[in-house]
Amino acid sequence: DVKVTQSSRYLVKRTGEKVFLECVQDMDHENMFWYRQDPGLGLRLIYFSYDVKMKEKGDIPEGYSVSREKKERFSLILESASTNQTSMYLCASSLGEAFFGQGTRLTVV
Amino acid sequence: EDKVVQSPLSLVVHEGDTVTLNCSYEVTNFRSLLWYKQEKKAPTFLFMLTSSGIEKKSGRLSSILDKKELFSILNITATQTGDSAVYLCAAKTGANNLFFGTGTRLTVIP
Repeated sequence: DVKVTQSSRYLVKRTGEKVFLECVQDMDHENMFWYRQDPGLGLRLIYFSYDVKMKEKGDIPEGYSVSREKKERFSLILESASTNQTSMYLCASSLGEAFFGQGTRLTVV
Repeated sequence: EDKVVQSPLSLVVHEGDTVTLNCSYEVTNFRSLLWYKQEKKAPTFLFMLTSSGIEKKSGRLSSILDKKELFSILNITATQTGDSAVYLCAAKTGANNLFFGTGTRLTVIP
């Protein structure tokens, strides 16, 4: 079974902090994605990566950056967390269908 | 602009009813349409549809794609309370991007 693991289930951070969300997959998938999910807005793509060190902006990249130094790991970075980044963050990896991690609920206070 | 639209936004039915969820899409370089069920945290995969007119079936769930009219439906027959969830559809493009709809929240009442 494909496993996608996100490092934290719940995080509470202060405004202005730098936040790292980690995602690891064990199926050698080339494509990895970071989404945020907010009520009424569905899943919105922040960034995706199609290979090591390769990244593409999604629909809402502002305030975020990503890092893909190894194929199995895709990190989302909030350079300076703000309250409007309070959300559920979902990582996915795919070959055909996408497999999702369990999500990280981030609260920025 | 690429977009995926799901309808209805929410639906409340009684156990045993049959429901049809709709997904229409407009994306560049469409490759496939995916359906997911999201109960608590992570969406879980249901179907991937690539060819038009070929029904995919898993138990009481089935889905079909119409690439001419750019939509897909997900049918659930004899609904059970365990079917209560948000159902998401996503259009996959040639750039390997996934565009999601906002989802349909299904509530099945005993």
